[in-house]
Amino acid sequence: DIVMTQSPLSLPVTPGEPASISCRSSQSLLQSDGYNYLDWYVQKPGQSPQLLIYLGSIGASGVPDRFSGSGSGTDFTLKISRVEAEDVGVYYCMQALQTPLTFGQGTRLQIK
Amino acid sequence: EVQVVESGGGLVQAGRSLRLSCVASGFSFDDYAMHWVRQAPGKGLEWVSGINWSSGRTGYADSVKGRFTISRDNAKNSLYLQMKSLRAEDTALYYCAKDMARGIRGDFDCWGQGTLVTVSS
Repeated sequence: DIVMTQSPLSLPVTPGEPASISCRSSQSLLQSDGYNYLDWYVQKPGQSPQLLIYLGSIGASGVPDRFSGSGSGTDFTLKISRVEAEDVGVYYCMQALQTPLTFGQGTRLQIK
Repeated sequence: EVQVVESGGGLVQAGRSLRLSCVASGFSFDDYAMHWVRQAPGKGLEWVSGINWSSGRTGYADSVKGRFTISRDNAKNSLYLQMKSLRAEDTALYYCAKDMARGIRGDFDCWGQGTLVTVSS
């Protein structure tokens, strides 16, 4: 199984400041079609998870453009250009390359 | 509006069975793979099982393989999870999630509110 490792696990951020979350996979998520099979999700307090980024860097419908995904192979990053209070929640990366699909441990973003 | 709604959760004794259901609306159900993802109390997300658009391919987490069976009825816009030999560690909120592809790819762009399964030992 592919192991997903996120860092940091806790991320306090001042509103208006940028934030960055790292995700590493135990094997490459880059397929021959040129896509990295890596998703980012956020679970806001009391809510179901929602898709932010898929195929490594493509923003899901309705996601603000302050969220961006980058990276390739085994190293990926989710960046928030300017954190807002509504961004509080737990962020997960997930590999979509092969079953069993596997998630990272989650990164809890808090507002300072 | 694209949505999925789960049902069937409840309190069950260890070793017993339970069947979860998920009804979809607002999209062409038979064009997309579907999944179950669970979240134990206070824990992270765990993919449980997925099924492609035609039921021709399924996948399971190692922790449920041989005990859980995923299925779908495209005529009823419904997804199911038959759970047998339940264990205390299966206690979780079970989410139904829609894939963006016909095959089992991930990219869950629609999630339900979840149905809670509690297994007593």
